[in-house]
Amino acid sequence: EIVLTQSPGTLSLSPGERATLSCRASQSVSSSYLAWYQQKPGQAPRLLIYGASSRATGIPDRFSGSGSGTDFTLTISRLEPEDFAVYYCQQYGSSPCTFGQGTKVEIK
Amino acid sequence: EVQLVESGGGLVQPGGSLRLSCAASGFTFSSYWMHWVRQAPGKGLVWVSRINSDGSSTSYADSVKGRFTISRDNAKNTLYLQMNSLRAEDTAVYYCARLLVRGVMFEGFDPWGQGTLVTVSS
Repeated sequence: EIVLTQSPGTLSLSPGERATLSCRASQSVSSSYLAWYQQKPGQAPRLLIYGASSRATGIPDRFSGSGSGTDFTLTISRLEPEDFAVYYCQQYGSSPCTFGQGTKVEIK
Repeated sequence: EVQLVESGGGLVQPGGSLRLSCAASGFTFSSYWMHWVRQAPGKGLVWVSRINSDGSSTSYADSVKGRFTISRDNAKNTLYLQMNSLRAEDTAVYYCARLLVRGVMFEGFDPWGQGTLVTVSS
C-alpha cells in the first residue's frame, strides 16, 4: 500500500498569503493518478486537482498543483477567506487507493 | 445537477448490521464506477470499497473484507453498502463518490455525497 504523507499538519496563514502544501508518497505515483481535495467542516470533500496539475471544473486559478514521482505540491497563490479548510491528496494508481492524512490551513 | 445522496446510517450495536444507500441523479449512473470512502470522527479519509459500472467487479479495503459488501442497482440508480459484523472502529461518516475517468485518465472522485454517520456502540 502506498502511504501518502502530507506536510505540514497545520499551516497558519493570513488571507492574501501564499500556501504551499506537500504530499510525499512512499513509492512513485504516476502523476496521472494524483488528486487533491478540499474539505470544510461538516461538508463532503470537493475535488480540486486531478492528474497532479489539472484543475477540476469550477476551481479558481489561484489553486495549482505540481510534482511527479514521490513529491507533489498544492499551491494556493493568494488565500481567500473561503480557502481555510483541510486539504487531502489521493493516489489512485496503486490498489488500494489511499489518501494523505490532511493539511489544515487555518487563519493566523 | 449531478448529485449523490446517502442514507441508512445510524446507531448499531457491535456485531450488528446496517445497509447504506446512495441515490444518484443528474448523470448516467450505469456508466460510472462508484466508491465508498469513510471518515472517522476528527480523522482523515479512508477508502472502503469500489464497484465497476455493471456490478461485476468489486474491491475492498482489508479492514472490511469479508464483512462489507458493495452492490448497485442500475435500474434504481442506487449504490449500496451492506455492513455486517460491525465493530466500534467502523464508526465513521460514510461517503459515496463517483469515479471520473476519461479514457484511461483518472480525473478524481467527483461528486461526493453529503455522507451518512454510522455509530457502532453498545
